[in-house]
Amino acid sequence: KNEVEQSPQNLTAQEGEFITINCSYSVGISALHWLQQHPGGGIVSLFMLSSGKKKHGRLIATINIQEKHSSLHITASHPRDSAVYICAVERYNTDKLIFGTGTRLQVFP
Amino acid sequence: EAQVTQNPRYLITVTGKKLTVTCSQNMNHEYMSWYRQDPGLGLRQIYYSMNVEVTDKGDVPEGYKVSRKEKRNFPLILESPSPNQTSLYFCASSFDVGDTQYFGPGTRLTVL
Repeated sequence: KNEVEQSPQNLTAQEGEFITINCSYSVGISALHWLQQHPGGGIVSLFMLSSGKKKHGRLIATINIQEKHSSLHITASHPRDSAVYICAVERYNTDKLIFGTGTRLQVFP
Repeated sequence: EAQVTQNPRYLITVTGKKLTVTCSQNMNHEYMSWYRQDPGLGLRQIYYSMNVEVTDKGDVPEGYKVSRKEKRNFPLILESPSPNQTSLYFCASSFDVGDTQYFGPGTRLTVL
């Protein structure tokens, strides 16, 4: 079993819909990252969080440390949000990052 | 402009021919790391470095070497590439492992 699990693996939505991507992990962590990988392959960091909630534009990330779960929400989705979203955790007391396999999102006009 | 650069972006080579993929960052980051990305497996860490002359193995280090002689550079060396090292490789850097990661554009390697 992977230490970082994402769901769903694939997600399609109509423009304007509210989207939720989930990430569960089974190890103790120091921090959790959400990344976005565009069809061209480039990866950008969206959020780094260790507790609570962060918001940037239409993106919101939350984490529940007790439940070992994080969610990434996209409000008013747009076709340009189409990408693979990747969850990664920094395993506690190490310098290593462990990645989920990603959620492929397609938003149609 | 703050960035992580990788070269080459694309490489086709043959089994056993030594190669180096360069990675350079201009943000004075201390933490640098190499990942490979394979379909269905996601990103996996190969090696990482906390600072100059400090490197350590990630989850899939076999067949790879790294060095960190200068803060800005972190080359990935494949001494004797094999077909199972065909993959998409990313270099990343940050001030610390828990900080925002900055990724290079990726290097697509094919080993025949």
